[in-house]
Amino acid sequence: DVKVTQSSRYLVKRTGEKVFLECVQDMDHENMFWYRQDPGLGLRLIYFSYDVKMKEKGDIPEGYSVSREKKERFSLILESASTNQTSMYLCASSSGGASFRVDNEQFFGPGTRLTVL
Amino acid sequence: RKEVEQDPGPFNVPEGATVAFNCTYSNSASQSFFWYRQDCRKEPKLLMSVYSSGNEDGRFTAQLNRASQYISLLIRDSKLSDSATYLCVVRSDSNYQLIWGAGTKLIIKP
Repeated sequence: DVKVTQSSRYLVKRTGEKVFLECVQDMDHENMFWYRQDPGLGLRLIYFSYDVKMKEKGDIPEGYSVSREKKERFSLILESASTNQTSMYLCASSSGGASFRVDNEQFFGPGTRLTVL
Repeated sequence: RKEVEQDPGPFNVPEGATVAFNCTYSNSASQSFFWYRQDCRKEPKLLMSVYSSGNEDGRFTAQLNRASQYISLLIRDSKLSDSATYLCVVRSDSNYQLIWGAGTKLIIKP
């Protein structure tokens, strides 16, 4: 069974803290994605990666960075957390790589609900 | 105007009824279309892709209307377990990223 795991289900941080969200997939997928989901807005893409050490900005990369040192792991970093980054963060993976076979199904982790106080 | 728009609902439907909802998209160059399902406090999961000719999977039928720029999802003989939020997803030709609608909430009542 395919699996995407995220390091925490719930996280509470203070403004200005550095926050690391980890995502691991066991499907040997090339593509990995970080989204945030807010009520009434749908999923918004923060960053994605189609290969190790490769990263591309999504729609809302400001205030975030990512790291992909290994194929199975994609980390999202909030350098200095702010209250407007309170959200549900979803990691996803899909096969396809640089061919951008984004029509391939995306498999999601359970999400991390981050609250920044 | 949002690129992908959905009626947020909720649609309250009795068990066994047929329900349909639409999703409109603004980019006429959009190439690929999908419905994902998201249960309460869970992650989204692919329900079905939407092909130009339409497609059916059991009780679920998805259709694409390019002229009017919308896709639809029809659920027949609805079950309590169909209660979820249905997310419309679109990929444009010029932008390889997926654009997600905010979802339509469906509640099936006994």
